[in-house]
Amino acid sequence: AQTVTQSQPEMSVQEAETVTLSCTYDTSESDYYLFWYKQPPSRQMILVIRQEAYKQQNATENRFSVNFQKAAKSFSLKISDSQLGDAAMYFCAYHLPSSGTYKYIFGTGTRLKVLA
Amino acid sequence: DSGVTQTPKHLITATGQRVTLRCSPRSGDLSVYWYQQSLDQGLQFLIHYYNGEERAKGNILERFSAQQFPDLHSELNLSSLELGDSALYFCASSPTYGAGNTIYFGEGSWLTVV
Repeated sequence: AQTVTQSQPEMSVQEAETVTLSCTYDTSESDYYLFWYKQPPSRQMILVIRQEAYKQQNATENRFSVNFQKAAKSFSLKISDSQLGDAAMYFCAYHLPSSGTYKYIFGTGTRLKVLA
Repeated sequence: DSGVTQTPKHLITATGQRVTLRCSPRSGDLSVYWYQQSLDQGLQFLIHYYNGEERAKGNILERFSAQQFPDLHSELNLSSLELGDSALYFCASSPTYGAGNTIYFGEGSWLTVV
């Protein structure tokens, strides 16, 4: 079964500190795409970062970066210099173009609290 | 603003009723996805359309149906509504079919069944 696991239901970080959210996934495919989405209290789903599995280099977007470990099927999100506006639910997701279903599979989310 | 438009934003209806949620994808996007998010839950994939054709089904109830029209907008029809159908329904779109594109979400339609 294609699954995405976010083992941390909730995390807290002090403002200006760094936090890492974990995500593991299960697939036997070699071609896939990984995403992190942020869902603030407004409930809007906002793309944070995207990683192609064929790329060895970890994706980075400003204060957000990933640690992509393909062999371990791990895709963690690191948020540096955390800000109050980073408080949100964070969802990890992956997409298998070759699966024939073209679904985007989401994890159950990690709620991030940022402490002032 | 993602460019994906969903209407209505909020809807309250009674059990047993039928509602239609509408989605306009980003300009040029051919793929439309529907997701359901119940309170404090993750996103459950319902259905995917590409250029008017159904491409994938997820955990979509038989009481639910969807379609994508020639102008690429999509509608999700929910019938014989039950209390448990109360949720946030998201539409998302992407440019092509199965190319690993990022999907962009609308703001969602809040459905409350009373």
